[in-house]
Amino acid sequence: DGGITQSPKYLFRKEGQNVTLSCEQNLNHDAMYWYRQDPGQGLRLIYYSQIVNDFQKGDIAEGYSVSREKKESFPLTVTSAQKNPTAFYLCASSIVGQGAVEAFFGQGTRLTVV
Amino acid sequence: AQRVTQPEKLLSVFKGAPVELKCNYSYSGSPELFWYVQYSRQRLQLLLRHISRESIKGFTADLNKGETSFHLKKPFAQEEDSAMYYCALKGAGSYQLTFGKGTKLSVIP
Repeated sequence: DGGITQSPKYLFRKEGQNVTLSCEQNLNHDAMYWYRQDPGQGLRLIYYSQIVNDFQKGDIAEGYSVSREKKESFPLTVTSAQKNPTAFYLCASSIVGQGAVEAFFGQGTRLTVV
Repeated sequence: AQRVTQPEKLLSVFKGAPVELKCNYSYSGSPELFWYVQYSRQRLQLLLRHISRESIKGFTADLNKGETSFHLKKPFAQEEDSAMYYCALKGAGSYQLTFGKGTKLSVIP
């Protein structure tokens, strides 16, 4: 079954703990993205990566970190420095090429920090 | 900097009425524009992109560079069109994909 998989679907953590969200794709896409989705805020870009071992900050990168050691994987760590981490997180991937390429999205992870 | 503005949080129309979801953008170069849709309990998925100039599920969108707009239109709304709609922008040659805040479309039977 090809696609982009995020795990887990729901995640609970205590305040002050770091937590890592998984994102895996078997679409052979070079570009991967992390977004945060809050009610009334739409999707805000956290980090994106267009190639292995390279990534760029998006609009709201503070308090988050990523790695891109493998093409298929782009994990996101929500650190204790993130002031309001409770949110719905979406991962996406796309090919890298000219033209208006489509981004494919995962099902999302809902993180709740208590 | 690139920015996408969707001025309406919620749009309610009756079945069979025309629909227009507004999208304005800010980008200094050549933009690539998209509409994504999220139906209830489903993944966010591409609806259409400006470059293809096609009609998907009866929806069309025209890029107006003079007005920096990419409004989504459908002549006759259906109940199954009820969903969250997001306008998105990517600069030509860039990989940063920026979304608007979204518009929730509710089609009243």
